[in-house]
Amino acid sequence: DAGVTQSPTHLIKTRGQQVTLRCSPKSGHDTVSWYQQALGQGPQFIFQYYEEEERQRGNFPDRFSGHQFPNYSSELNVNALLLGDSALYLCASSPTTGGSSYEQYFGPGTRLTVT
Amino acid sequence: ILNVEQSPQSLHVQEGDSTNFTCSFPSSNFYALHWYRWETAKSPEALFVMTLNGDEKKKGRISATLNTKEGYSYLYIKGSQPEDSATYLCAFPRTGNQFYFGTGTSLTVIP
Repeated sequence: DAGVTQSPTHLIKTRGQQVTLRCSPKSGHDTVSWYQQALGQGPQFIFQYYEEEERQRGNFPDRFSGHQFPNYSSELNVNALLLGDSALYLCASSPTTGGSSYEQYFGPGTRLTVT
Repeated sequence: ILNVEQSPQSLHVQEGDSTNFTCSFPSSNFYALHWYRWETAKSPEALFVMTLNGDEKKKGRISATLNTKEGYSYLYIKGSQPEDSATYLCAFPRTGNQFYFGTGTSLTVIP
């Protein structure tokens, strides 16, 4: 049973560019959350997708957007990249939304470097 | 902004030592408290989900306790081994599944 997968593993972009990160959830999971982990910080919640809609959103600007597909996989898009967007981006899946006692399963992350 | 704090930030122990870390969180509107273990170059792995005040959970040499009234959870590792070296994160969910993470405790076990 494949766990959560993310692609690409690493990415280098230039300021002002746009980037798309991808995530496939664990089999049987329908909810995907995205997190940003900057250096020295814990993961910060970006948003969560369920039934192809954004259900929850953290304190991130509109430059951060996402999408969920019918097969539950998800994309994170960041427009007009800033140096401060350099971070590890984690995707997590869980079997349902609204259940805070459900374990989240994390992918290995995508390391984004903005130069 | 919701504060989830972990201490210490880092810890070096000798193999065989027992150790513990703390996660502090707001005591109001408690839903659950999650502990994760994150080894370098791997995915964070769920250790425990704690939901009731007074909960105590155990997995092998690792255990955790929860005090929702005062807003803290302890993670204990008995007889630390080099393979326990990792960053241990706690996460506090609010409004459904919006998780707030602490900055983690980095544990290094010296053989």
